[in-house]
Amino acid sequence: QVQLQESGPGLVKPSQTLSLTCTVSGGSISSGSYYWSWIRQPAGKGLEWIGRIYTSGSTNYNPSLKSRVTISVDTSKNQFSLKLSSVTAADTAVYYCARASIDCSGGSCYSEDYWGQGTLVTVSS
Amino acid sequence: DIQMTQSPSSLSASVGDRVTITCQASQDISNYLNWYQQKPGKAPKLLIYDASNLETGVPSRFSGSGSGTDFTFTISSLQPEDIATYYCQQYDNLPPTFGQGTKLEIK
Repeated sequence: QVQLQESGPGLVKPSQTLSLTCTVSGGSISSGSYYWSWIRQPAGKGLEWIGRIYTSGSTNYNPSLKSRVTISVDTSKNQFSLKLSSVTAADTAVYYCARASIDCSGGSCYSEDYWGQGTLVTVSS
Repeated sequence: DIQMTQSPSSLSASVGDRVTITCQASQDISNYLNWYQQKPGKAPKLLIYDASNLETGVPSRFSGSGSGTDFTFTISSLQPEDIATYYCQQYDNLPPTFGQGTKLEIK
């Protein structure tokens, strides 16, 4: 059973860079059958898709964040990471990492089916 | 971005009731629609994919229907453990976008 776990600082100062890592266990991040996503949720609000990375390194980002976001993968550590630069209070949220299959023959695909528990990041001085 | 509009935003129902939530897309998304359940303090859980397919292990009281721009999510007989917020999500176009959520409470 695959599991995902977010880690990183819970407090980031305004204008600095938010950095989070998602560690994947119970499966290899190198499998070409999946992509790996970041999604966030401000307190009491809805969900916002940040972006995704394929094992090949190919990425897609939400245009609303694209200028500030970098998602990368480290297959040797079975991890992928999120960097969000120039943060403001509006970036305060619970950040989730998730996995989605790109193989549509076995059930859901292009739909995040495994999620981490989420980590709260607060932007404040 | 494709806008997803859910209704109602909140809903109060009794155990055993049939509950229906609707989701409307701002443009045709075919059947590229998911429904997620999120309980307080937890990550969202995928319930329905491709508008009407039940994810493995999800109880059969949950169902979904629709295509194009109009979609429906139904709980046939509400159970106490179904108290949660439900989100629709389109994945036809990037970026994937979510509805604003429907908070379901027990009467």
